[in-house]
Amino acid sequence: GAGVSQSPRYKVAKRGQDVALRCDPISGHVSLFWYQQALGQGPEFLTYFQNEAQLDKSGLPSDRFFAERPEGSVSTLKIQRTQQEDSAVYLCASSRGETQYFGPGTRLLVL
Amino acid sequence: GESVGLHLPTLSVQEGDNSIINCAYSNSASDYFIWYKQESGKGPQFIIDIRSNMDKRQGQRVTVLLNKTVKHLSLQIAATQPGDSAVYFCAEKRNTNAGKSTFGDGTTLTVKP
Repeated sequence: GAGVSQSPRYKVAKRGQDVALRCDPISGHVSLFWYQQALGQGPEFLTYFQNEAQLDKSGLPSDRFFAERPEGSVSTLKIQRTQQEDSAVYLCASSRGETQYFGPGTRLLVL
Repeated sequence: GESVGLHLPTLSVQEGDNSIINCAYSNSASDYFIWYKQESGKGPQFIIDIRSNMDKRQGQRVTVLLNKTVKHLSLQIAATQPGDSAVYFCAEKRNTNAGKSTFGDGTTLTVKP
């Protein structure tokens, strides 16, 4: 009965490091979304899965960003060679129908 | 391109008053609209939604109005309470059951006791 969970909640990385952010969706939710939220702004869409299929990755800002959901449940967002502009909150959401349920986000700070 | 925007970045109201938060959108193909509430350190929380074939929808203390002619969406909160203090986002989707949501930048609502 738990909601969407994300880990870690906070991540500090040195510029150039790779990071991996995890999302555990609500059990049974087919759809999973990743969003990036800069300070003071609304979430920006990154990518979307339906089960294990990545149906839309149009929002990924560069080829340094990669997301996967190999078994159709847990998803990982990986950012390679992090840059300072990658600093943001990364939100995961899952849904079974219309309503998206969001996790608390991972706050990434790249120094 | 498409965009979803809010008229005012901040709104301050007295406890017990009604609040109205506005949003303008540009994509006439949008057919589903959602209001979210986001508290500090948390993810957005669904408040209420409306499909494009409707003009008004009511929930508990909240009402969403949709004016497709001028591409305008509003969220009305009745008898605003301190717990309503948060950032409010409108979002739109083209397909109610799949695909991404496009968010505006948010209005920060502050409720004064």
